[in-house]
Amino acid sequence: QLQLQESGPGLVKPSETLSLTCTVSGGSISSTSYYWGWIRQPPGKGLEWIGSLYYSGNTFYNPSLMSRVTISGDTAKTQISLELISVTAADTAVYYCARGFRSGEYFDLWGRGTLVTVSS
Amino acid sequence: EIVLTQSPGTLSLSPGERATLSCRASQSVSSSYLAWYQQKPGQPPRLLIYGESSRATGIPDRFSGSGSGTDFTLTISRLEPEDFAVYYCQQYGRTFGQGTKVEVK
Repeated sequence: QLQLQESGPGLVKPSETLSLTCTVSGGSISSTSYYWGWIRQPPGKGLEWIGSLYYSGNTFYNPSLMSRVTISGDTAKTQISLELISVTAADTAVYYCARGFRSGEYFDLWGRGTLVTVSS
Repeated sequence: EIVLTQSPGTLSLSPGERATLSCRASQSVSSSYLAWYQQKPGQPPRLLIYGESSRATGIPDRFSGSGSGTDFTLTISRLEPEDFAVYYCQQYGRTFGQGTKVEVK
C-alpha cells in the first residue's frame, strides 16, 4: 500500500531555506496517472496549495509563492522535494505532501504532515 | 486566480441532523475538478468527494456533492458523531476554500 512520509528540519531560521522531502513507499512516483503536491497549513488555519509536480517534469506553483518555491522529484529514490527560500514566520505551518490523481486533479492520498517552525 | 468562498464558517448541528455546506467560486469551475475534503484535529485531510459528486473509496453514502458553475454544495444527510470536523472544497487540485467547521450543537 502506497504511503507518503514527510521529513526535514522542524526549525528553520528566518531568511534561510526550508527543505523538506516526501518519501513515497510501496510504489513509484513515475506513473502518468498521478502527480505530486505540497500543501501547507499554518497552525489553526486553513489549507494552502503550494505547488505540484507532474510526471512530465512540469511544475505548477501557487502564484503567491512562485518566486520562492521549487518542487522536484527523484524517481530512483521515490522522493519529492520542496524548497522554500527566504522564509519568515508566516511560513510556519504543517507541510503535507500528497498524491494527485491526474484525471480529476484532486489529492487522494496524503502524508501525515510535518510541522516546520520559522524562528530565530 | 480562482477564489473559493465557503459558508457558513461554522455550522452548529446535532447528530442525526442534515448538514449543508456551500462552496462558491469567483468564476466558473468545471464540476469535474471540484473536490471536498474532511479534516479532523491532528490528522491530514481526507478526500470525500471528487468530480463534484463521486465519493472516494470508503466514504459512506450519507455524503453527497452537487452543483455546477460557481456554486457547489456538500451535503451530509444525517450527521454521525465522527462527522464533526472541518470541511474544505478545492478546485482543479489547487485553490482551497477557507473551510467550514461542523461542530456539535
